[in-house]
Amino acid sequence: AQKVTQAQTEISVVEKEDVTLDCVYETRDTTYYLFWYKQPPSGELVFLIRRNSFDEQNEISGRYSWNFQKSTSSFNFTITASQVVDSAVYFCAQARYNFNKFYFGSGTKLNVKP
Amino acid sequence: DTGVSQDPRHKITKRGQNVTFRCDPISEHNRLYWYRQTLGQGPEFLTYFQNEAQLEKSRLLSDRFSAERPKGSFSTLEIQRTEQGDSAMYLCASSSTSGGTRLYNEQFFGPGTRLTVL
Repeated sequence: AQKVTQAQTEISVVEKEDVTLDCVYETRDTTYYLFWYKQPPSGELVFLIRRNSFDEQNEISGRYSWNFQKSTSSFNFTITASQVVDSAVYFCAQARYNFNKFYFGSGTKLNVKP
Repeated sequence: DTGVSQDPRHKITKRGQNVTFRCDPISEHNRLYWYRQTLGQGPEFLTYFQNEAQLEKSRLLSDRFSAERPKGSFSTLEIQRTEQGDSAMYLCASSSTSGGTRLYNEQFFGPGTRLTVL
């Protein structure tokens, strides 16, 4: 069975703090893809990153970084020096090898206060 | 605007009525997905098309739900005999299977259609 768990329902931080959003997934597939999306208050989901199951190399993009660990089935997302504009709901998702179906977690709402 | 568009953006209907939503994907995107999102939850997969073929359907898609993509371009999602439990945001996403770009198979989401069933 495929499942994505985001245990943190809501996180509040003060601007410039670092914050890590957790994501744990379950799958029996050997080939799969993991994603993070941002859903700002305006509502439209925005793609942030995709990783495939064979590439555990961590990635950094500006203030964003992602830590993929197959051993713990986790794909965590860290925002460094958070900003108010980072306030949104963040979703972790998993897709099967053929992209026929996507599974989303329940999301983590991030509140960044000035 | 060359993004994914959905129409209408909001729909209020009475229980028992039929509703139809439309999704226009990004031009030349051959894959199209429908999702349902309820308050405080992540998107739940409903169905997937590659061109005009419906290749995957979730068990969430009861016999009251039907989706089409007749010419492999726009898609419609119809809900018959709506129930209050159908109230949700219905999201459409499209993607391309063409290689040569890091964005292939990446989903681009539309703004959604918010359905309220009274």
